[in-house]
Amino acid sequence: KNEVEQSPQNLTAQEGEFITINCSYSVGISALHWLQQHPGGGIVSLFMLSSGKKKHGRLIATINIQEKHSSLHITASHPRDSAVYICAVMEYGNKLVFGAGTILRVKS
Amino acid sequence: DAGVTQSPTHLIKTRGQQVTLRCSPISGHKSVSWYQQVLGQGPQFIFQYYEKEERGRGNFPDRFSARQFPNYSSELNVNALLLGDSALYLCASTTRSGYEQYFGPGTRLTVT
Repeated sequence: KNEVEQSPQNLTAQEGEFITINCSYSVGISALHWLQQHPGGGIVSLFMLSSGKKKHGRLIATINIQEKHSSLHITASHPRDSAVYICAVMEYGNKLVFGAGTILRVKS
Repeated sequence: DAGVTQSPTHLIKTRGQQVTLRCSPISGHKSVSWYQQVLGQGPQFIFQYYEKEERGRGNFPDRFSARQFPNYSSELNVNALLLGDSALYLCASTTRSGYEQYFGPGTRLTVT
Protein backbone atom coordinates (compact mmCIF):
# COMPACT_ATOMS: atom_id res chain seq x y z
CA LYS A 1 0.00 0.00 0.00
CA ASN A 2 1.34 3.41 -0.97
CA GLU A 3 1.95 5.86 1.83
CA VAL A 4 0.00 8.54 -0.07
CA GLU A 5 -3.17 7.67 -1.95
CA GLN A 6 -5.03 10.08 -4.20
CA SER A 7 -8.47 9.84 -5.70
CA PRO A 8 -9.68 10.00 -8.31
CA GLN A 9 -6.84 9.07 -10.65
CA ASN A 10 -8.55 10.80 -13.56
CA LEU A 11 -11.21 13.46 -13.53
CA THR A 12 -13.05 15.15 -16.37
CA ALA A 13 -15.25 18.13 -15.58
CA GLN A 14 -17.27 20.72 -17.44
CA GLU A 15 -16.22 24.33 -17.17
CA GLY A 16 -17.76 25.91 -14.10
CA GLU A 17 -18.07 22.71 -12.07
CA PHE A 18 -16.88 22.37 -8.49
CA ILE A 19 -14.02 19.87 -8.27
CA THR A 20 -12.69 17.89 -5.32
CA ILE A 21 -9.50 15.83 -5.25
CA ASN A 22 -8.79 13.71 -2.19
CA CYS A 23 -5.57 12.62 -0.53
CA SER A 24 -5.11 10.08 2.26
CA TYR A 25 -1.83 9.24 3.92
CA SER A 26 -0.67 6.62 6.38
CA VAL A 27 2.44 8.11 7.99
CA GLY A 28 3.10 10.85 10.50
CA ILE A 29 3.75 14.13 8.76
CA SER A 30 4.87 17.63 9.54
CA ALA A 31 3.12 19.19 6.54
CA LEU A 32 1.20 18.38 3.36
CA HIS A 33 1.68 19.96 -0.04
CA TRP A 34 -0.65 20.30 -2.98
CA LEU A 35 1.26 20.68 -6.24
CA GLN A 36 0.23 21.38 -9.83
CA GLN A 37 2.10 19.90 -12.77
CA HIS A 38 1.48 20.94 -16.36
CA PRO A 39 2.48 18.99 -19.48
CA GLY A 40 6.23 19.41 -19.90
CA GLY A 41 6.88 18.74 -16.26
CA GLY A 42 7.11 22.00 -14.35
CA ILE A 43 5.73 21.72 -10.83
CA VAL A 44 4.18 24.62 -8.96
CA SER A 45 3.46 24.52 -5.26
CA LEU A 46 -0.17 25.49 -4.61
CA PHE A 47 -0.47 25.03 -0.87
CA MET A 48 1.44 23.85 2.13
CA LEU A 49 -0.76 22.83 5.06
CA SER A 50 -0.14 21.60 8.56
CA SER A 51 -3.67 22.17 9.86
CA GLY A 52 -7.04 23.63 8.96
CA LYS A 53 -7.81 25.27 5.67
CA LYS A 54 -6.20 27.60 3.15
CA LYS A 55 -7.73 29.51 0.24
CA HIS A 56 -6.07 31.10 -2.76
CA GLY A 57 -8.35 32.47 -5.43
CA ARG A 58 -10.59 29.64 -6.64
CA LEU A 59 -8.52 26.99 -4.86
CA ILE A 60 -9.22 25.73 -1.36
CA ALA A 61 -7.21 23.12 0.53
CA THR A 62 -8.20 21.44 3.77
CA ILE A 63 -6.50 18.94 6.02
CA ASN A 64 -7.72 16.75 8.87
CA ILE A 65 -4.67 15.59 10.78
CA GLN A 66 -6.59 13.12 12.95
CA GLU A 67 -8.13 11.40 9.94
CA LYS A 68 -4.94 11.74 7.85
CA HIS A 69 -6.89 13.20 4.96
CA SER A 70 -6.70 16.29 2.81
CA SER A 71 -8.83 17.68 0.01
CA LEU A 72 -8.18 20.15 -2.77
CA HIS A 73 -11.22 21.98 -4.10
CA ILE A 74 -11.45 24.05 -7.27
CA THR A 75 -14.46 26.31 -7.57
CA ALA A 76 -15.79 27.52 -10.93
CA SER A 77 -13.35 25.30 -12.81
CA HIS A 78 -11.83 26.53 -16.06
CA PRO A 79 -10.02 24.75 -18.91
CA ARG A 80 -6.77 26.37 -17.79
CA ASP A 81 -7.07 24.36 -14.55
CA SER A 82 -6.36 21.22 -16.60
CA ALA A 83 -3.22 19.69 -15.15
CA VAL A 84 -1.97 16.95 -12.87
CA TYR A 85 -2.57 17.68 -9.20
CA ILE A 86 -0.22 15.96 -6.80
CA CYS A 87 -0.49 15.54 -3.06
CA ALA A 88 2.82 15.22 -1.23
CA VAL A 89 3.44 14.74 2.48
CA MET A 90 6.48 15.97 4.35
CA GLU A 91 7.64 13.19 6.65
CA TYR A 92 9.64 14.10 9.72
CA GLY A 93 13.18 14.52 8.47
CA ASN A 94 12.07 16.69 5.55
CA LYS A 95 11.49 13.84 3.08
CA LEU A 96 8.64 14.47 0.64
CA VAL A 97 6.52 11.46 -0.32
CA PHE A 98 4.28 11.98 -3.33
CA GLY A 99 0.98 10.58 -4.43
CA ALA A 100 0.61 9.35 -7.99
CA GLY A 101 -1.34 12.43 -9.00
CA THR A 102 -4.82 13.19 -10.31
CA ILE A 103 -5.15 14.03 -13.98
CA LEU A 104 -7.75 16.78 -14.32
CA ARG A 105 -9.28 17.80 -17.61
CA VAL A 106 -11.76 20.66 -17.70
CA LYS A 107 -13.78 20.90 -20.90
CA SER A 108 -15.25 24.15 -22.18
CA ASP B 1 14.56 36.88 -8.34
CA ALA B 2 15.33 33.85 -10.48
CA GLY B 3 13.63 30.62 -9.51
CA VAL B 4 15.26 27.23 -9.31
CA THR B 5 17.17 26.50 -12.49
CA GLN B 6 18.22 23.13 -13.87
CA SER B 7 20.46 22.11 -16.73
CA PRO B 8 20.32 20.62 -19.21
CA THR B 9 16.64 20.67 -20.12
CA HIS B 10 16.79 17.45 -22.10
CA LEU B 11 19.42 14.75 -22.37
CA ILE B 12 19.77 11.53 -24.33
CA LYS B 13 22.27 8.94 -23.16
CA THR B 14 23.10 5.35 -23.97
CA ARG B 15 22.93 2.44 -21.52
CA GLY B 16 26.10 2.17 -19.46
CA GLN B 17 27.00 5.84 -19.78
CA GLN B 18 27.21 8.33 -16.96
CA VAL B 19 25.26 11.57 -16.59
CA THR B 20 25.53 14.73 -14.48
CA LEU B 21 22.54 16.95 -13.86
CA ARG B 22 22.81 20.41 -12.35
CA CYS B 23 20.61 22.54 -10.14
CA SER B 24 20.88 26.10 -8.87
CA PRO B 25 18.61 26.95 -5.95
CA ILE B 26 16.77 30.15 -5.28
CA SER B 27 19.08 32.76 -3.85
CA GLY B 28 19.26 32.37 -0.09
CA HIS B 29 18.04 28.77 -0.07
CA LYS B 30 20.58 26.40 1.45
CA SER B 31 18.80 23.10 0.91
CA VAL B 32 18.38 21.19 -2.34
CA SER B 33 16.40 18.01 -2.92
CA TRP B 34 16.39 15.73 -5.95
CA TYR B 35 13.43 13.70 -7.21
CA GLN B 36 12.92 11.20 -10.01
CA GLN B 37 9.59 11.12 -11.83
CA VAL B 38 9.00 8.21 -14.15
CA LEU B 39 6.31 8.79 -16.76
CA GLY B 40 2.84 8.36 -15.32
CA GLN B 41 3.96 8.26 -11.70
CA GLY B 42 4.49 10.71 -8.88
CA PRO B 43 8.02 11.89 -8.10
CA GLN B 44 10.25 9.77 -5.87
CA PHE B 45 12.70 11.27 -3.38
CA ILE B 46 16.37 10.66 -4.20
CA PHE B 47 18.47 12.97 -2.03
CA GLN B 48 18.36 16.02 0.16
CA TYR B 49 21.37 18.23 0.86
CA TYR B 50 21.61 21.03 3.36
CA GLU B 51 24.70 23.15 3.88
CA LYS B 52 26.69 20.75 1.67
CA GLU B 53 25.84 17.72 3.76
CA GLU B 54 23.57 14.85 2.81
CA ARG B 55 20.50 14.98 5.03
CA GLY B 56 18.35 12.33 3.41
CA ARG B 57 18.55 9.53 0.87
CA GLY B 58 15.72 7.67 -0.84
CA ASN B 59 15.63 4.06 -1.93
CA PHE B 60 17.94 4.36 -4.92
CA PRO B 61 21.02 2.28 -5.81
CA ASP B 62 24.57 3.48 -5.24
CA ARG B 63 24.78 4.37 -8.94
CA PHE B 64 23.04 7.57 -7.87
CA SER B 65 25.15 10.15 -6.06
CA ALA B 66 24.98 13.87 -5.47
CA ARG B 67 26.85 16.73 -3.96
CA GLN B 68 26.27 20.33 -2.99
CA PHE B 69 28.75 23.11 -3.56
CA PRO B 70 29.67 26.12 -1.37
CA ASN B 71 27.30 28.31 -3.45
CA TYR B 72 24.51 25.77 -2.64
CA SER B 73 24.16 24.59 -6.23
CA SER B 74 24.01 20.84 -6.62
CA GLU B 75 24.85 18.05 -9.01
CA LEU B 76 23.18 14.67 -9.37
CA ASN B 77 25.29 11.94 -10.92
CA VAL B 78 24.03 8.66 -12.25
CA ASN B 79 26.52 5.99 -13.32
CA ALA B 80 26.04 2.89 -15.48
CA LEU B 81 22.73 4.15 -16.86
CA LEU B 82 19.87 1.71 -17.31
CA LEU B 83 16.81 2.07 -19.51
CA GLY B 84 14.76 2.38 -16.33
CA ASP B 85 16.63 5.56 -15.39
CA SER B 86 14.72 7.38 -18.13
CA ALA B 87 12.68 9.95 -16.24
CA LEU B 88 12.16 13.59 -15.41
CA TYR B 89 14.64 14.61 -12.72
CA LEU B 90 13.37 17.41 -10.54
CA CYS B 91 15.31 19.62 -8.19
CA ALA B 92 13.66 21.61 -5.43
CA SER B 93 15.19 24.20 -3.20
CA THR B 94 13.82 24.81 0.22
CA THR B 95 13.88 27.38 2.92
CA ARG B 96 15.93 26.76 6.01
CA SER B 97 12.89 25.09 7.58
CA GLY B 98 12.76 22.63 4.72
CA TYR B 99 9.04 23.05 4.45
CA GLU B 100 8.41 25.28 1.42
CA GLN B 101 9.46 23.47 -1.73
CA TYR B 102 10.25 25.43 -4.88
CA PHE B 103 10.68 23.21 -7.91
CA GLY B 104 12.83 23.67 -10.96
CA PRO B 105 11.58 22.85 -14.47
CA GLY B 106 13.29 19.48 -14.48
CA THR B 107 15.74 17.64 -16.71
CA ARG B 108 14.23 15.00 -18.95
CA LEU B 109 16.67 12.12 -19.31
CA THR B 110 16.18 9.49 -21.98
CA VAL B 111 18.34 6.38 -21.90
CA THR B 112 18.45 4.35 -25.11
